[in-house]
Amino acid sequence: SAVISQKPSRDICQRGTSLTIQCQVDSQVTMMFWYRQQPGQSLTLIATANQGSEATYESGFVIDKFPISRPNLTFSTLTVSNMSPEDSSIYLCSVKSSEGSYNEQFFGPGTRLTVL
Amino acid sequence: GQQLNQSPQSMFIQEGEDVSMNCTSSSIFNTWLWYKQDPGEGPVLLIALYKAGELTSNGRLTAQFGITRKDSFLNISASIPSDVGIYFCAGQPPSGTYKYIFGTGTRLKVLA
Repeated sequence: SAVISQKPSRDICQRGTSLTIQCQVDSQVTMMFWYRQQPGQSLTLIATANQGSEATYESGFVIDKFPISRPNLTFSTLTVSNMSPEDSSIYLCSVKSSEGSYNEQFFGPGTRLTVL
Repeated sequence: GQQLNQSPQSMFIQEGEDVSMNCTSSSIFNTWLWYKQDPGEGPVLLIALYKAGELTSNGRLTAQFGITRKDSFLNISASIPSDVGIYFCAGQPPSGTYKYIFGTGTRLKVLA
């Protein structure tokens, strides 16, 4: 499976500011995703990061709030804009394996965000 | 939208006991994945299931893809303290995308 790293691992931010989270994969992958995990909750898909084009957002998530970039097949960023305490969550990068046709997804270690 | 219900929500067991948890939905899925998440970490993939009725093992873990395609089960045999964590199921709907829907999670605590 691919090795996925995220930066930062955690951060504490002030209300109204923005934070950009980076996701780096050690091999080229076909698909990358961003998830949010609110405290004590399950995982919710924010968007699919598309290489070279705009991300595909899920219902309830918009580009102005969560702009995403994916300049190549190994790297993506998620920005949480104009943050409020409700944005305090773990943000997870996920990739689909490029090996064969298997639909397995692997996760990075996550970025724990606290907004004051 | 589609939802996945996991049960039990949490469980306390004695070390050495077997554990069973399941994931159910009103909709069918093409693929089931089972993950374990430790505190402060991302989910780690345990088992992947691709066919209805499939039974797959990974060490002490065994998972099954339900015949109806609407459920899946995970069993852990002879639990040990490091089995502590949150277990999530994830189902891929037959919608032609690679997106997964995650279950609500089962929090497992093992008493030594």
